[in-house]
Amino acid sequence: AQSVTQLGSHVSVSEGALVLLRCNYSSSVPPYLFWYVQYPNQGLQLLLKYTSAATLVKGINGFEAEFKKSETSFHLTKPSAHMSDAAEYFCAVSEVDGNKLVFGAGTILRVKS
Amino acid sequence: EPEVTQTPSHQVTQMGQEVILRCVPISNHLYFYWYRQILGQKVEFLVSFYNNEISEKSEIFDDQFSVERPDGSNFTLKIRSTKLEDSAMYFCASKGRLSRETQYFGPGTRLLVL
Repeated sequence: AQSVTQLGSHVSVSEGALVLLRCNYSSSVPPYLFWYVQYPNQGLQLLLKYTSAATLVKGINGFEAEFKKSETSFHLTKPSAHMSDAAEYFCAVSEVDGNKLVFGAGTILRVKS
Repeated sequence: EPEVTQTPSHQVTQMGQEVILRCVPISNHLYFYWYRQILGQKVEFLVSFYNNEISEKSEIFDDQFSVERPDGSNFTLKIRSTKLEDSAMYFCASKGRLSRETQYFGPGTRLLVL
């Protein structure tokens, strides 16, 4: 069965600092991987996705993630945090494209001025 | 930009009552989903719907739940007899015809069962 583990339920960074949100997955077949962001009182918005093409995936708002099969990881990074990045971030996996998404528990990102 | 919409945004109901949560997926999308998120917990898959039938459902999606696409635009989730533990945020999502396309999520309906 698929599963996703997000290390750190809360991450706090200073404005301008590197953002690193960790995601490890478990899947019996090559996965499709996603990062979604949820701003307060809003739905889930796709940041980026990995669908077996390039292992380094660039998304919106300056975020990127690298698929590392050997480490079963798909960590999300951004070189310089902005106050507007404060939100909850969810990593998700899908085994068969078009199938259900299995989500991690989420990481709340706080950006300090 | 097209978006998934959900109504109502909030609903309060008494235990044992029926509720219907409504979703309008993105036009020309073919795959539809319901997920829920109990406060403080993970987003969980409930059901997927394609070609006018359920394609997959989770263990959560028992006989108390049903889904319907009553017309060409709406996609509904019905809970027949609500329980306290049904209190959650319910998200609808839709996806286009190409298999690699993204699931687009609505803003959610917050359901509170008293």
